Amino acid sequence: GAGVSQSPSNKVTEKGKDVELRCDPISGHTALYWYRQSLGQGLEFLIYFQGNSAPDKSGLPSDRFSAERTGGSVSTLTIQRTQQEDSAVYLCASRTSSGPGEQYFGPGTRLTVT
Amino acid sequence: GQNIDQPTEMTATEGAIVQINCTYQTSGFNGLFWYQQHAGEAPTFLSYNVLDGLEEKGRFSSFLSRSKGYSYLLLKELQMKDSASYLCAVYTNAGKSTFGDGTTLTVKP
Repeated sequence: GAGVSQSPSNKVTEKGKDVELRCDPISGHTALYWYRQSLGQGLEFLIYFQGNSAPDKSGLPSDRFSAERTGGSVSTLTIQRTQQEDSAVYLCASRTSSGPGEQYFGPGTRLTVT
Repeated sequence: GQNIDQPTEMTATEGAIVQINCTYQTSGFNGLFWYQQHAGEAPTFLSYNVLDGLEEKGRFSSFLSRSKGYSYLLLKELQMKDSASYLCAVYTNAGKSTFGDGTTLTVKP
């Protein structure tokens, strides 16, 4: 079956521009996570959605970052007024609601801010 | 908050056994996961432990001691393709997961 998909796979943007990153989770997965990974580093938790509950936004690094999940499926991570330090790979993962359960990762979006 | 520690790098020889340790401090612990990540790729699930003890899965085994906040991943009969980063992740009962910085394993002939 289809796995987690993310788009775009690569994004180059100028400093100060806004970007939107999209994640399509596996169908039926109610939990969705966004992570950020800088080169050679581990995964930095950004935000977690579970069903209709309020998302856990505790990992968002600043108010320039926001995310939403429409209809309990597709999620969009928005970064406003991008900065060079936002350059990283942004990974999305989903899992079933019955936890703990393994997370299935998408291929990521490589964001480069010039 | 959560704190996860694992060694930054390890090197081992093809055919050997290697143990990657992970220590953690967290509240609301609800499981520990190990993921493998090859360079330029997304992480893939290897194993998880919820209860104390050893979980075996082919060449890979993972151990957990909740009282000590300690886990290890054991890789047997190492192959060159096992060269990758190994990520320890702690899952809480609130559903949040926190990853360690990963251990880069290099397997040499």
